[in-house]
Formats: sequence, structure tokens, C-alpha cells
Amino acid sequence: DAGVTQSPTHLIKTRGQQVTLRCSPISGHKSVSWYQQVLGQGPQFIFQYYEKEERGRGNFPDRFSARQFPNYSSELNVNALLLGDSALYLCASSLEGNQPQHFGDGTRLSIL
Amino acid sequence: QKEVEQNSGPLSVPEGAIASLNCTYSDRGSQSFFWYRQYSGKSPELIMSIYSNGDKEDGRFTAQLNKASQYVSLLIRDSQPSDSATYLCAVNGGLGSSNTGKLIFGQGTTLQVKP
Repeated sequence: DAGVTQSPTHLIKTRGQQVTLRCSPISGHKSVSWYQQVLGQGPQFIFQYYEKEERGRGNFPDRFSARQFPNYSSELNVNALLLGDSALYLCASSLEGNQPQHFGDGTRLSIL
Repeated sequence: QKEVEQNSGPLSVPEGAIASLNCTYSDRGSQSFFWYRQYSGKSPELIMSIYSNGDKEDGRFTAQLNKASQYVSLLIRDSQPSDSATYLCAVNGGLGSSNTGKLIFGQGTTLQVKP
């Protein structure tokens, strides 16, 4: 069975641009969560979606937004990119919100 | 006080030894506890989950949970060089539907297993 898939794998943007990251969960998983991981730190929670509804939001500015589609895939959007947004963005899926989460390979975003 | 604390290490053990990784957490309402392994340049991989006090064993891995002390640990028996990685402790965000999907991670402990 396919795991969590994320696209693109790498992305280079400049300050002020906008980016959209995509995630397809494991088949049958209805919950998708997004995390940001900077070098040397553990992942930081950004959003959780379950059955297409936002279930949780981390301490990130409004420049970050997300949505979940009827097929349970998800997109993370970041507007007005800053240098500090450079990080590995991870998507994780689970059967339900409190079940073990499985991560995709991530999207490495670099801001120049 | 950080919500989930781990010693960043590195923790160095010889091949064949037991590696002991520790984690403390601050939210007494936390319900679920996870250990992830992350190789350099890769994404986290779930290796253990534990929900109730006591020990849970899976192959060479044993997770231990003590909710009274707000402490969770991971033991790796017969450590191999391939176990060299960063181990992340993750705790769910506590009670309430808005928090059940939020994992709070420690900064990770780097384990080095020397041949």
C-alpha cells in the first residue's frame, strides 16, 4: 500500500512569493496534519484536518492556511514567504485524529 | 518549561549495548505517546506507540510510560550501527477534540551506535 505522498519534494522560492504544498494520505486515513521542521528541532504542529474540517491550528501566522478535499488529500498554502519559512514541511495521516500518525517524505522549502 | 523535553545528546553506545532514551512532558492530560526515528535528511518514521502505564515491547524496542511522573522512555536492545539516528518523542496535545491530532515533539536525541 502506498504511504503518505507529498509534492513537490523540493521547492525554491523568493521572499514575498506564495507556495502550495500537496499531500495525499494513506488510503483509508481521514485525518491529515501538517508540521514544519527546521534543522535541529522537532516538528512543529501547523494544522490538523479531519473529515474536511479544521480540528486544530498551531501557533503560526495567518499567512499559513490549509484545506482538505473530499478525497482526504490536503494542501498547505503559505503567502508572503519570509526567509524564516525555509524548512522541511511534513504531512502526516492517521485513521482518526488521535491515532498514530505516519509521515510523508516531506517538502523541503528554501526561501532566497 | 518546554512541553516535551529530551536530552539532545549525542548518546553514544557500543554495538550490542542497550540504548536508553528519555522524555518528559508537561501536560498531564496527554493520552498518547509515540517514538519516531529520523535518519538524517529523511522524515520521521513511527517505531512505537504507548497509551497506558507500563512497558510495551516490539522486537528490540521497549517503550515505558509513567504518567504519574510524566515520563516516557525508549529502550533499544542489541543496538546496531543502523540504529544511529535522531529519536523523537511525541505526545498528543491533550484532551478535547481540537487537540487530539496535535503532536508535540521534543527536539530529539541523537543516538550513535559505534561498531
